[in-house]
Amino acid sequence: SQQGEEDPQALSIQEGENATMNCSYKTSINNLQWYRQNSGRGLVHLILIRSNEREKHSGRLRVTLDTSKKSSSLLITASRAADTASYFCAASTGSARQLTFGSGTQLTVLP
Amino acid sequence: NAGVTQTPKFQVLKTGQSMTLQCAQDMNHEYMSWYRQDPGMGLRLIHYSVGAGITDQGEVPNGYNVSRSTTEDFPLRLLSAAPSQTSVYFCASSRQTSGRIDNEQFFGPGTRLTVL
Repeated sequence: SQQGEEDPQALSIQEGENATMNCSYKTSINNLQWYRQNSGRGLVHLILIRSNEREKHSGRLRVTLDTSKKSSSLLITASRAADTASYFCAASTGSARQLTFGSGTQLTVLP
Repeated sequence: NAGVTQTPKFQVLKTGQSMTLQCAQDMNHEYMSWYRQDPGMGLRLIHYSVGAGITDQGEVPNGYNVSRSTTEDFPLRLLSAAPSQTSVYFCASSRQTSGRIDNEQFFGPGTRLTVL
């Protein structure tokens, strides 16, 4: 079963704009991770936020976590054409031996 | 470091055939896992291992076997391939602390499998 569900499923923006993707999950988490997947490639880790953290930054990425709403958001600022990819959230739950992935958001950044 | 490597990149099988997907990592990670990704979907966990000699089932283990004889290698075996196993398969590895994967996972490039 999908632990994380992303919203929107697809997002198209102009270069320079900000992109926001949301992830909702069902049960208590140990941490929530965001990954990027370029077409036909493996996943690349972007950022990890632990259950006791509310916000985290890495370069142009900002992740927030609201455990009361069981949701997280990924903000990419000043987007570039190279940011075009699928973005997945993944929840670590329970014994923290498994990650459960959402279905992803397909981001297209138009030059 | 090569990171996580997978072979083959592409494979076509006939229904009923068996094969092994290879996965190796050179980062001395204790945790390794196999996922499958179907079109328009996220990754689903097939099997995972928290160390040599220890494996466990994920969300979709039926039709697959794994073993972990060394820290570096984690092969995935398809026992009798079915069209429903057509998918892209990803191997991943991670450090773990006290048996917990609280760190990023490193993914291989994937194996695209088609079962006719």
